[in-house]
Amino acid sequence: QVQLQQSGPGLVKPSQTLSLTCAISGDSVSSNSAAWNWIRQSPSRGLEWLGRTYYRSKWYNDYAVSVKSRITINPDTSKNQFSLQLNSVTPEDTAVYYCARDWLLGGGWTWYFDLWGRGTLVTVSS
Amino acid sequence: QSALTQPASVSGSPGQSITISCTGTSSDVGGYNYVSWYQQHPGKAPKLMIYDVSNRPSGVSNRFSGSKSGNTASLTISGLQAEDEADYYCSSYTSSSTLNYVFGTGTKVTVL
Repeated sequence: QVQLQQSGPGLVKPSQTLSLTCAISGDSVSSNSAAWNWIRQSPSRGLEWLGRTYYRSKWYNDYAVSVKSRITINPDTSKNQFSLQLNSVTPEDTAVYYCARDWLLGGGWTWYFDLWGRGTLVTVSS
Repeated sequence: QSALTQPASVSGSPGQSITISCTGTSSDVGGYNYVSWYQQHPGKAPKLMIYDVSNRPSGVSNRFSGSKSGNTASLTISGLQAEDEADYYCSSYTSSSTLNYVFGTGTKVTVL
């Protein structure tokens, strides 16, 4: 059974870096068909896709324009996991952060998330 | 990029059918058959219920069905059960240059 296990601090100070990790069991971060995403949810912004990483002979990243200047998503093949770093956070970045899987198959992206982590509430406050 | 528009709440009695709408534009819902629906119980992660407008993943009850007409997609829950009480979100691919995915505003389903 494929599972995503999230970890990381629940409290981050303003202007600092938010860091979360998503460990994959039952699949591979280096999969030639899956892609690994970060999505967040807050009362003010709803569900918001942040970005993804995927491997197709080399590593690729796609990021939402709203966070592109502050976000990095990195794979860690040695631990079969991927991470989210969001720099210069403000209270507006307070949200539940989810990792999730979607697919890039022969016909293109599938445009849905079939597997989600449990979510991590991250509060940005001093 | 605006979120897809959903009604804030929908309610029904056990055994009834309800329909949740999801309205977008020709750049997302109306232009592509990449609409998906997610169910979210309090404190839980979203669960995929429908993908590609009307397809159900393995394990999802056939009481859940999806459709689309123009710029509006719909999720119908038939034979409403107490366990269906949750928040529901639609999502779509968008050709907007600002992002790839757009989500709906969410609908709270209450079983009376």
